[in-house]
Amino acid sequence: DGGITQSPKYLFRKEGQNVTLSCEQNLNHDAMYWYRQDPGQGLRLIYYSQIVNDFQKGDIAEGYSVSREKKESFPLTVTSAQKNPTAFYLCASSPRTSGGTDTQYFGPGTRLTVL
Amino acid sequence: GQNIDQPTEMTATEGAIVQINCTYQTSGFNGLFWYQQHAGEAPTFLSYNVLDGLEEKGRFSSFLSRSKGYSYLLLKELQMKDSASYLCAVPSGGSYIPTFGRGTSLIVHP
Repeated sequence: DGGITQSPKYLFRKEGQNVTLSCEQNLNHDAMYWYRQDPGQGLRLIYYSQIVNDFQKGDIAEGYSVSREKKESFPLTVTSAQKNPTAFYLCASSPRTSGGTDTQYFGPGTRLTVL
Repeated sequence: GQNIDQPTEMTATEGAIVQINCTYQTSGFNGLFWYQQHAGEAPTFLSYNVLDGLEEKGRFSSFLSRSKGYSYLLLKELQMKDSASYLCAVPSGGSYIPTFGRGTSLIVHP
C-alpha cells in the first residue's frame, strides 16, 4: 500500500533534548512538508522540500532542522532552541505536478510532549 | 499576505444539512482546498476549487466565489462520523503551498 508513515505516534522528551521525528513516503512524491498543529490553531508550515538535497524554511522554522537525503524520507529535528516544542507534528507530501497547486497527502502525525 | 476566516465551532443534528463558510484574502489565487480532520488524526483531502461555482461529491459539496473571496463546504445527510474539524486552505499568490485556516469543529448530535 502506498502512503506516508510517521513514527512514533507519541513521543516524550525531557526539556533540553533534541528529538528527531521520522517521515517516510512511498508515493514517489517530489515534495514533502512539515507542519505543526496546536490546539485551536491551523496547520503552520515549518519546512518544505521540493527535491532531494534541497529544502526551504516555512513560517515557523526557528528551533527546527530538516534533511532530505532521499526522496522517500524527510526527518524533522526539534532542537532545544525551540521554545514551545509540545505539539502535534504532521508530515505531508505532494507530487508537484507541473502547472501549479497540487494536493497534499498527510501522515498520521506524531504527538510530541516535552516534559 | 494571507488571511483565512472560518467559524470556530458549529453543531448540527444527524440527518440535517450544514454549511461551513470560509472567507479569504490573498494577493493571488491558486485555488482553495477543504480537508477533514478527525481528532488526533491526519487531515484528509475533501475538495479543491479553482473556478467559481459548486462542485458536488456525494454528500459533500464545495462552492467558490473568487470575486467575493468566499467558499463554503456543504454537508448533507449528516452522520455522526462527520463530527470532525474542517480545514479551509488557500495557497498564497505565487506559491503552491496552502496556508490553512484554524478549522471549524463540527459536532453532530443525535
